[in-house]
Amino acid sequence: GAGVSQSPSNKVTEKGKDVELRCDPISGHTALYWYRQSLGQGLEFLIYFQGNSAPDKSGLPSDRFSAERTGGSVSTLTIQRTQQEDSAVYLCASSLGGWHQDTQYFGPGTRLTVL
Amino acid sequence: KQEVTQIPAALSVPEGENLVLNCSFTDSAIYNLQWFRQDPGKGLTSLLLIQSSQREQTSGRLNASLDKSSGRSTLYIAASQPGDSATYLCAVLGGSQGNLIFGKGTKLSVKP
Repeated sequence: GAGVSQSPSNKVTEKGKDVELRCDPISGHTALYWYRQSLGQGLEFLIYFQGNSAPDKSGLPSDRFSAERTGGSVSTLTIQRTQQEDSAVYLCASSLGGWHQDTQYFGPGTRLTVL
Repeated sequence: KQEVTQIPAALSVPEGENLVLNCSFTDSAIYNLQWFRQDPGKGLTSLLLIQSSQREQTSGRLNASLDKSSGRSTLYIAASQPGDSATYLCAVLGGSQGNLIFGKGTKLSVKP
């Protein structure tokens, strides 16, 4: 079956513009995660959805970042007024139930470059 | 706060060698530990998942061990091949939201 897909694969934007990144999880997976991979910083967790709910948004780096999930499926990560330090690869993952025994499956990521 | 460290940061070996990648974590209260592979420009591929109650998992030429009490895991790769060249990431599941906490990875290069 299809894996996690993300779009766009690459996004170049100018500082100050808003961007939207999309994630399509594996069908039937109720849990969805967003991570960010910056050069030299490793992978950091951003936000988690169980169904359409994100109970804790404290992992988002600033209030310019927001995320939503609709219909328990597709998720969108929005970055407003982008800054150069937002440049990174944004990875999405999904798992079957969100329980601790479930493997997280990752998408290929969106590479964001802010000029 | 959980921290995950991977040593070495980079490793270059000739084809055919057996090798060990190391991962350590500061808080032993984890649910599980996963090893991932990341190829340049690609996402992460899960290699092995070890539950906190388990000591090791094996898949083909890969064997991962977990010593939760000492906060350590190793990934053993037998008879390495050039196709094994990639960055290997260790991650523990222990965040309050079921999120993974990653090390910075070991970049492996296997030379023919």
